[in-house]
Amino acid sequence: EDQVTQSPEALRLQEGESSSLNCSYTVSGLRGLFWYRQDPGKGPEFLFTLYSAGEEKEKERLKATLTKKESFLHITAPKPEDSATYLCAAINSGNTPLVFGKGTRLSVIA
Amino acid sequence: DAGVIQSPRHEVTEMGQEVTLRCKPISGHNSLFWYRQTMMRGLELLIYFNNNVPIDDSGMPEDRFSAKMPNASFSTLKIQPSEPRDSAVYFCASSLGTGELFFGEGSRLTVL
Repeated sequence: EDQVTQSPEALRLQEGESSSLNCSYTVSGLRGLFWYRQDPGKGPEFLFTLYSAGEEKEKERLKATLTKKESFLHITAPKPEDSATYLCAAINSGNTPLVFGKGTRLSVIA
Repeated sequence: DAGVIQSPRHEVTEMGQEVTLRCKPISGHNSLFWYRQTMMRGLELLIYFNNNVPIDDSGMPEDRFSAKMPNASFSTLKIQPSEPRDSAVYFCASSLGTGELFFGEGSRLTVL
């Protein structure tokens, strides 16, 4: 059974304190690894798709990377507006819908 | 583009009552998904449609849950009868089948 596990469950950072969120996956024939951001009371919003090991994507203070077993979301010099829950999801070679992790709840304190 | 539109945003009902959640996907998207989100279990896929046809409903908890997609611009998720353990946020999402999902803002259901 495909699984996606995220850690830590919650992370509290000071503004400007860089860190990384982890997403480990067990997926048969990974076809894509996705990162989403979810604000309170909202639906998840797409951030990145990674397709193969070694691939990297960047958007403002966020950079996502992918290995054969896990993905990292690096946050450089975060700001309070980066506070949100970050969700990782995977799709397998059978093209079945996204399997989501439970997310990492990030709080950035000014 | 208006995005995925869900209604109602909040629903409070009593155990045993019928609940109907509604979704209008993004125009042109050919796949539609219903997810349920709770603190304990995260986002769980309930059912998804491709070109209005249900493809996989293995995530539907039990026979009390049913979903329909009568046309490309509308879908419903119905719970009858509702139970307190059905309390959750229900999300509808649509896509072009690329894996990039566009989510609505969710329907928060509370069953007393």
